[in-house]
Amino acid sequence: EAQVTQNPRYLITVTGKKLTVTCSQNMNHEYMSWYRQDPGLGLRQIYYSMNVEVTDKGDVPEGYKVSRKEKRNFPLILESPSPNQTSLYFCASSPRDRANYGYTFGSGTRLTVV
Amino acid sequence: AQSVTQLGSHVSVSEGALVLLRCNYSSSVPPYLFWYVQYPNQGLQLLLKYTTGATLVKGINGFEAEFKKSETSFHLTKPSAHMSDAAEYFCAVSETTGNQFYFGTGTSLTVIP
Repeated sequence: EAQVTQNPRYLITVTGKKLTVTCSQNMNHEYMSWYRQDPGLGLRQIYYSMNVEVTDKGDVPEGYKVSRKEKRNFPLILESPSPNQTSLYFCASSPRDRANYGYTFGSGTRLTVV
Repeated sequence: AQSVTQLGSHVSVSEGALVLLRCNYSSSVPPYLFWYVQYPNQGLQLLLKYTTGATLVKGINGFEAEFKKSETSFHLTKPSAHMSDAAEYFCAVSETTGNQFYFGTGTSLTVIP
């Protein structure tokens, strides 16, 4: 089944403790992206990757890191999480022509930073 | 840059009534247009999309949307709401060049029995 898999689904952590949210897709998509979803703000892009070893900042990159060492994986790293990073996170992927195709989304990771 | 406006962050309809969720975009150049649905505790699923061709687009679960260039709109409709339609709905637009994607802030649909 074609899918984007995120782990974990739920995560509670403490301020300053490094964490990684994993994202993997099995569709050989070139493009991958991370979004955060907050009430009233919709989806805001954090980082995206056009292909292996090519990443760039989205609209809200502060406090986040990403890497794209393999085509299928695009982990999101929070080096020192803070409470304002409490949010619902989505990974998404798309083939090169995402304007025409749209995104496939993962099921989300609900992160709480206390 | 594009902007996407979804009028009404919360919409309530009775079961069996018409569903109308509004979406307007800002570009003078017609973009590609999408509607996504997010059921509770799930990710976003593609409901329907308009790229080229017929301006009335049919999607899954009986939803459809019509692209109206003169109104820069892409409103989502369903003739008869079901309880299972209760979800968050996101409109998204994509430029035909540059591959940027822009989401609206979402509309939460409640279906009243």
